[in-house]
Amino acid sequence: DAGVIQSPRHEVTEMGQEVTLRCKPISGHNSLFWYRQTMMRGLELLIYFNNNVPIDDSGMPEDRFSAKMPNASFSTLKIQPSEPRDSAVYFCASSKSRGRWTEAFFGQGTRLTVV
Amino acid sequence: RKEVEQDPGPFNVPEGATVAFNCTYSNSASQSFFWYRQDCRKEPKLLMSVYSSGNEDGRFTAQLNRASQYISLLIRDSKLSDSATYLCVVNLSNTGKLIFGQGTTLQVKP
Repeated sequence: DAGVIQSPRHEVTEMGQEVTLRCKPISGHNSLFWYRQTMMRGLELLIYFNNNVPIDDSGMPEDRFSAKMPNASFSTLKIQPSEPRDSAVYFCASSKSRGRWTEAFFGQGTRLTVV
Repeated sequence: RKEVEQDPGPFNVPEGATVAFNCTYSNSASQSFFWYRQDCRKEPKLLMSVYSSGNEDGRFTAQLNRASQYISLLIRDSKLSDSATYLCVVNLSNTGKLIFGQGTTLQVKP
């Protein structure tokens, strides 16, 4: 299996531009997570989906952030408009829900820089 | 108060040393617990789950104290390759909502 695939690996954009991050989870996994990692705040859960349905988006920082999962094999995280404080590494992770002991597998992340 | 708290370190230890990391969590209803490892500029990966009775995997021992809401990881006979950030992780529900601590950085020196 190829694992969780994220694109792009790196993104540099100007403030005010729209940014779209993409994720392909592991085939057969039914939960998908978007995390953001910074030095100051560590790894923060933004949103997670179960069977393509958003379950908890309480971690989404503000209305500029939106996430979709149109099918079991694809998800996007969009930031519009982007701001310099959005600069971080964004990770997508997926898991096969087996109750409490489910293991999450992470993609390699997208390093976003907003200038 | 953060849901999962760890001492960020860094912990600088010589090869062969024993080192312990601690973690506390705030939600008493937390379902399950894990330690993940993250190498520099890489993604986190599962190191081990933490069971109520405590568990061991080679040089690594994890323990859970539900009454104190406290998790620990002990690494014996440290290797250079153990240098990484260790993330304490709590599952808040059966849907697998994983909350990560900020991580503890370990640097093992020759």
